[in-house]
Amino acid sequence: ILNVEQSPQSLHVQEGDSTNFTCSFPSSNFYALHWYRWETAKSPEALFVMTLNGDEKKKGRISATLNTKEGYSYLYIKGSQPEDSATYLCAPQSWGKLQFGAGTQVVVTP
Amino acid sequence: DVKVTQSSRYLVKRTGEKVFLECVQDMDHENMFWYRQDPGLGLRLIYFSYDVKMKEKGDIPEGYSVSREKKERFSLILESASTNQTSMYLCASSFGRNWWQAGANVLTFGAGSRLTVL
Repeated sequence: ILNVEQSPQSLHVQEGDSTNFTCSFPSSNFYALHWYRWETAKSPEALFVMTLNGDEKKKGRISATLNTKEGYSYLYIKGSQPEDSATYLCAPQSWGKLQFGAGTQVVVTP
Repeated sequence: DVKVTQSSRYLVKRTGEKVFLECVQDMDHENMFWYRQDPGLGLRLIYFSYDVKMKEKGDIPEGYSVSREKKERFSLILESASTNQTSMYLCASSFGRNWWQAGANVLTFGAGSRLTVL
């Protein structure tokens, strides 16, 4: 079982502010890093899959970076909006299996 | 537009009962997974299947079994439910072919089944 750590566990952000949070994972046996967004009362939805060291992905106001050598990924939200409120899960992939972190819960207040 | 369907959103069962959680996907995906989600622990893999009639244990298989008789259907079975199996259960599927391509392993999740065992 991979040890996947996400920090912080939760954060509160004012609407319009930018924020970021971290996913740390063992760099050995790494194949890809997945990010998912899980809104209350909905299913988790895939945001990004990254494989290469230095990869950067962007989807609207959300972006992510990957450092496979040191084993971490950052997810950034620029100009947070209330609809960004969700739990963000990262999951390193080893072979065909994903190992999920406990998530970072983001609450954006107007 | 629903792609992964879980049969029940909420279930309440008694200790010792046999419980079936059903999951159906309509995307012709090879891989199917069962996870449970508990506060502070994230999603933990119970069982997964790469093919019909094939199953592999995940990280927490104790107390569970699975069945995959058809490609589109993956069932989770609690032979004798216990209170520590009260949880949210999520089914997911992935394309699976050419697993070395990262996109092949992106998961599509069902809506979840919240099970309470009294």
